Amino acid sequence: DAGVTQSPTHLIKTRGQQVTLRCSPISGHKSVSWYQQVLGQGPQFIFQYYEKEERGRGNFPDRFSARQFPNYSSELNVNALLLGDSALYLCASTLTRASGNTIYFGEGSWLTVV
Amino acid sequence: AQRVTQPEKLLSVFKGAPVELKCNYSYSGSPELFWYVQYSRQRLQLLLRHISRESIKGFTADLNKGETSFHLKKPFAQEEDSAMYYCALALLSGAGSYQLTFGKGTKLSVIP
Repeated sequence: DAGVTQSPTHLIKTRGQQVTLRCSPISGHKSVSWYQQVLGQGPQFIFQYYEKEERGRGNFPDRFSARQFPNYSSELNVNALLLGDSALYLCASTLTRASGNTIYFGEGSWLTVV
Repeated sequence: AQRVTQPEKLLSVFKGAPVELKCNYSYSGSPELFWYVQYSRQRLQLLLRHISRESIKGFTADLNKGETSFHLKKPFAQEEDSAMYYCALALLSGAGSYQLTFGKGTKLSVIP
């Protein structure tokens, strides 16, 4: 049973460049979220998409954008990269049940901005 | 605004000793709390959720609304428990948003 899959696993970009990160949720999960984890900190919420619509947005600048496709996969885009964008970017998919929601995380994409 | 505080960055205990990882939260609504664990070179994975009141790998956590705490406990630490532990609070908005607010994490090191 495949978990949340993300690509690429590692990448290095230069300041000012743009990056696209990809995520496939667990089969049957319709909600995808993105989190940023800076070294030494807990994950911080960026976006949530459900049924291809943005349902939530964290405190991140407009340089960050995302979308969800009909197959529920998702992309996170970051424009005009800054050194401070260097982090682990986690994708998560949510299982929704009457007993409550459970969020499952992927292994993440390590982004280094130089 | 909601907040999760894990006061200890690092907690070292000897094998067989009891473990308590502290978590305090601030939230005006009815809290839904989780503990996630991240072992070395592995993904963040769910350990416990308060509504389940379950014990996973010997760990338990009780929600104390009066003290706004959700401490993680285990009576006898094992070496394989060494990992990073994150406490998280779920926020559900009217727009259907469901997001987690995480603490900064506590690194548990179990000394053989």
